[in-house]
Amino acid sequence: EAQVTQNPRYLITVTGKKLTVTCSQNMNHEYMSWYRQDPGLGLRQIYYSMNVEVTDKGDVPEGYKVSRKEKRNFPLILESPSPNQTSLYFCASTRVGDQETQYFGPGTRLLVL
Amino acid sequence: KQEVTQIPAALSVPEGENLVLNCSFTDSAIYNLQWFRQDPGKGLTSLLLIQSSQREQTSGRLNASLDKSSGRSTLYIAASQPGDSATYLCAVCNNNDMRFGAGTRLTVKP
Repeated sequence: EAQVTQNPRYLITVTGKKLTVTCSQNMNHEYMSWYRQDPGLGLRQIYYSMNVEVTDKGDVPEGYKVSRKEKRNFPLILESPSPNQTSLYFCASTRVGDQETQYFGPGTRLLVL
Repeated sequence: KQEVTQIPAALSVPEGENLVLNCSFTDSAIYNLQWFRQDPGKGLTSLLLIQSSQREQTSGRLNASLDKSSGRSTLYIAASQPGDSATYLCAVCNNNDMRFGAGTRLTVKP
């Protein structure tokens, strides 16, 4: 089954404690991205990756890091989380060059105290 | 920079009513436009994808239209049901850059 998986689904942490949210897709997609969703703001892109070892900033990259060492994985790293990073995070993937839909993961709800 | 706006932010209708959700975007040079459904606390489910060369797409009771020149799309839901209650998101894609509207929260009352 084609899917994008994220872990963990829910996370409560404290300010400054480094965390990683994993994202994995099984569709051999080149393009992967991370979004955060906040009430009234829709989804905003944090980082995206066009292929292995190629990453770029989205609209709201501050406070986040990503890596793309393998095609299927695109982890999101918060080196020193702060309360304003409390949000719902989505990972997505699609094939580069095709005008096709992006596939979204189920979301990770993060609370930073 | 592409900006996507959805109106209304929230909509409540009685069961059985036909309804229209609106999406507007500022840059007409798009690859495609998608409508998603999001249930509370859940991920996004793609409903309809309209390529830039198309004018509309239909799936069951859903019909989405696209007018690139005016920067508008509508999602028409026929004979609404309580199960249609969710947030509907419009997303515009340019070269793998996807921009989302803030969504319309739909409530269909039995």
